[in-house]
Amino acid sequence: QQKVQQSPESLTVSEGAMASLNCTFSDGTSNNFRWYRQHSAKGLEVLVSIFSDGEKEEGRFTAHLNRANLHVSLHIREPQPSDSAVYLCAEGSSGNKLIFGIGTLLSVKP
Amino acid sequence: EAGVTQSPRYAVLQEGQAVSFWCDPISGHDTLYWYQQPRDQGPQLLVYFRDEAVIDNSQLPSDRFSAVRPKGTNSTLKIQSAKQGDTATYLCASSDRGYNYAEQFFGPGTRLTVL
Repeated sequence: QQKVQQSPESLTVSEGAMASLNCTFSDGTSNNFRWYRQHSAKGLEVLVSIFSDGEKEEGRFTAHLNRANLHVSLHIREPQPSDSAVYLCAEGSSGNKLIFGIGTLLSVKP
Repeated sequence: EAGVTQSPRYAVLQEGQAVSFWCDPISGHDTLYWYQQPRDQGPQLLVYFRDEAVIDNSQLPSDRFSAVRPKGTNSTLKIQSAKQGDTATYLCASSDRGYNYAEQFFGPGTRLTVL
């Protein structure tokens, strides 16, 4: 079964600086990855879905997928304190079953 | 468009008690998922339905957990005789045309504490 690991466990950045989060996976045949954000009061919010190698941008959020390196990343441009949350990477090829990493806790300091 | 709604938002139980969680998916979504998210972990799929049929419940502890979606709309997840290890947030999600690339939209979750 696909394994998904995220790093770092926590990350602190200053407001306006780029934030970069990483996710590695075990099965390079997958082409179905999503990044979610989780605020405690709002559940999970999908940020970017990416289904092929390369880059996918949604507003300030950009995902990069490199299946040869078993790696997908999320870059947040000009993060704000309101972006402070847990960010979850998920792989979704196993018949609708999303397999999540444990998340990265992002703190954005004013 | 209303999102996925769940109730209650919080529940606190003693071991051995029963509890039910309710989920109302986005209107028109045929696929509904229940995930369990222990503290400091990612969500893990328990069961999912397409319309009223269970498609995969392989990760549902069948001796104490049950889930139904009788009319293919709302769903109930029930825990009989809760254990401390059941302490987690229970998330419901729904999607349209449950194929691999369909987006899953999540509700706010029910945070369960078993004392």
